[in-house]
Amino acid sequence: AQSVAQPEDQVNVAEGNPLTVKCTYSVSGNPYLFWYVQYPNRGLQFLLKYITGDNLVKGSYGFEAEFNKSQTSFHLKKPSALVSDSALYFCAVRPSGSARQLTFGSGTQLTVLP
Amino acid sequence: DAGVTQSPTHLIKTRGQQVTLRCSPKSGHDTVSWYQQALGQGPQFIFQYYEEEERQRGNFPDRFSGHQFPNYSSELNVNALLLGDSALYLCASSQKSGWYSNQPQHFGDGTRLSIL
Repeated sequence: AQSVAQPEDQVNVAEGNPLTVKCTYSVSGNPYLFWYVQYPNRGLQFLLKYITGDNLVKGSYGFEAEFNKSQTSFHLKKPSALVSDSALYFCAVRPSGSARQLTFGSGTQLTVLP
Repeated sequence: DAGVTQSPTHLIKTRGQQVTLRCSPKSGHDTVSWYQQALGQGPQFIFQYYEEEERQRGNFPDRFSGHQFPNYSSELNVNALLLGDSALYLCASSQKSGWYSNQPQHFGDGTRLSIL
C-alpha cells in the first residue's frame, strides 16, 4: 500500500527566510509525487510534480521540491518566504504507470510571520 | 475557461438523512474523482467515474454512491448520514489520458457538509 508522511503539522518561518515543508513516501515501484496548496475554504491548487529526470523540480509561485530516492523524500522548498505563502500544504503520491488514485499526507500548516 | 465547480458550497443535514452533492468538471476533462477531507486531515479517495461508470473505489461503505452524466458532470450521494460524515467533499477532474500519466488532477472548492 502506498502512504505519505508529513511529519510536521505546523511550520513557522519569518518572511524573507527560506522555508522547507517535509514529505516522505512509500510506494511500490517508481513514484509520481505532487505538492498541492489549500487556502481557507478553498480546494487544492496544484504546485508542482516529480515524474522523472532532474531531482530538483520547479513549480508555481517560486516553490521547488527535491526528490531523494534513497531517503524516499520529496521536500517542498522556497528560498524566500512571503506572508501570502501561509496556507495548508499537502504532499501526494501514486505509483508511476498506474491508474491508482492519489494518496495524500495529513498536511502541514505553513505560517509565514511578517 | 471554467475550472471545476461544485454545488452547494455548504450544507447542513441531520443524522439519517440523505444528501446529494454535484460537480461539473473542468472543460475538456472526462473523469471525475471524489474525495472526503475531514477536519485536520488530508483528502481521502472515495471513488472515480469515467464513461458513466465507477472505475475505482476507496475504502468507503456502500452508503456512498455516485453517478456520472453524459456531459461528464457527477453527483455524490450519501445515505443514512452519520456524524462522522461531516467533512469537506472535494471533486477533482482529469482526462482519461492522464490516468497513467503525470497530469495533476484539478480540484473544485468543495462542499462543506455538516451533520447535526
